[in-house]
Amino acid sequence: QSALTQPPSSSGTPGQRVTVSCSGSSSNIGSYTVNWYQQLPGAAPKVLIYSNDQRPSGVPDRFSGSKSGTSASLAISGLQSEDEADYYCASWDDSLNGWVFGGGTKLTVL
Amino acid sequence: EVQLVESGGGLVQPGGSLRLSCAASGFTFSSIAMTWVRQGPGKGLEWVSGMSGNGDFIYYADSVKGRFTVSRDNSKNTLYLQMNSLRAEDTAVYYCAKFRGGGSPKYYHMDVWGKGTTVTVSS
Repeated sequence: QSALTQPPSSSGTPGQRVTVSCSGSSSNIGSYTVNWYQQLPGAAPKVLIYSNDQRPSGVPDRFSGSKSGTSASLAISGLQSEDEADYYCASWDDSLNGWVFGGGTKLTVL
Repeated sequence: EVQLVESGGGLVQPGGSLRLSCAASGFTFSSIAMTWVRQGPGKGLEWVSGMSGNGDFIYYADSVKGRFTVSRDNSKNTLYLQMNSLRAEDTAVYYCAKFRGGGSPKYYHMDVWGKGTTVTVSS
């Protein structure tokens, strides 16, 4: 059981806006920033959002992140077929003294 | 170009040992915190261990504490993971990743990942 809770799956149609939630606690998201990683099938993870809402260069502005209290969200607007992937949130956890990942959300583009 | 290349994976019997390496290039290795993250077959990402650039800060997941040891050779731009007393549940693809900064890993994000090396623990 992950310290960060994500829905196991989500889906949307092309052009739609979808969100992925990530719920934590005061020892992780409540005290530290959240990062989001995208893992395409058969590939290594890639950072999508860091420090709650910052996009690395090269990541389309269709992807956005937010954090409130002990929860965070990843939003994808203008959904495209190439967005079909697994998405993971991550944060430092003071109680575990280490990094924690959410269980991952498999996004399907219908 | 920043590159991380893992090696050393393979098939090992339960109770055995293995040492993974991560060769880094394209950045000042000694100034950057590094980490290992694994992914079991069909499973999600699991953080394993992390280390600051100068080795002052070292962290382990509870699941590997006392069995795995992370180290680095800044003269060789290489990160290591010594894995002892391996168990079936350690079977996974092991990724090496760099952090955005060099101090305690808790303050940065993992910004570049390697392609991973596969470890299989089975008799």
